[in-house]
Amino acid sequence: QQQVKQSPQSLIVQKGGISIINCAYENTAFDYFPWYQQFPGKGPALLIAIRPDVSEKKEGRFTISFNKSAKQFSLHIMDSQPGDSATYFCAARGMTTDSWGKLQFGAGTQVVVTP
Amino acid sequence: NAGVTQTPKFQVLKTGQSMTLQCAQDMNHNSMYWYRQDPGMGLRLIYYSASEGTTDKGEVPNGYNVSRLNKREFSLRLESAAPSQTSVYFCASGDRAKIYEQYFGPGTRLTVT
Repeated sequence: QQQVKQSPQSLIVQKGGISIINCAYENTAFDYFPWYQQFPGKGPALLIAIRPDVSEKKEGRFTISFNKSAKQFSLHIMDSQPGDSATYFCAARGMTTDSWGKLQFGAGTQVVVTP
Repeated sequence: NAGVTQTPKFQVLKTGQSMTLQCAQDMNHNSMYWYRQDPGMGLRLIYYSASEGTTDKGEVPNGYNVSRLNKREFSLRLESAAPSQTSVYFCASGDRAKIYEQYFGPGTRLTVT
C-alpha cells in the first residue's frame, strides 16, 4: 500500500504560471519530507526538503508548504519555466526502528511547461 | 567525482535468465539502496544497506538478492528473471546523518521477455 499519495498524476502549465503538486501521508512516523526532480533518462535528484516542525520552506522559485495536522504537504513552482518540465516525486523519511533511513515515495507527477 | 554509477544501462533478458546489476559510489556514503521505478508506482525500495556488511529488505524484495561487497559497491541480482521484473532500476546512496538526501545513479532499463 502506498503510504504517500501524490496528485495530480500529470499537469500542464504555461510558462510563467504556478505548478502545484500535492501529497498526503497516512503514517505519522515520518520526520523529513523531501521532493525529488527527475528529468527523462536520468535518476531523481533532491530538489528541496522540509521538516514537520516548519510550515513553509522556500528555495528560489520552489516552495514547500506543510500542514502537519492534515498530514499534507505540497510543492509550488512559481514562474514555471520550460526547463522545469520533469517528473516530481514527494517522499517521506521513516523514523521508526523498522523504517529508519528509508524513503517512501509518492507515485510522481509529470509536469509539462509550455512556452 | 563520478557520484553513483550503474552498469549496464540497458539489458534484455529472457525469462529464467539471471543477471547482476552493479552499483558503485565514490562519496564515502554508508547507506546504499536499490529501487525499481514503474509507471504510476513511483520508486519502490527493493533492498537497502545501512552500512557495509548489512542488508535489509525493502518493500518489494521478492525475486532479488543483494550483496554489499564493500563500502563503495552494492549489487542487485536477479536469479531467475520474470516479465514482472521489467522495470527501470536505480541505485542510490546517502549519508546516514542526512538520509533524506539520496544520490541516485542514472538507472538500468531492464526488459524481460
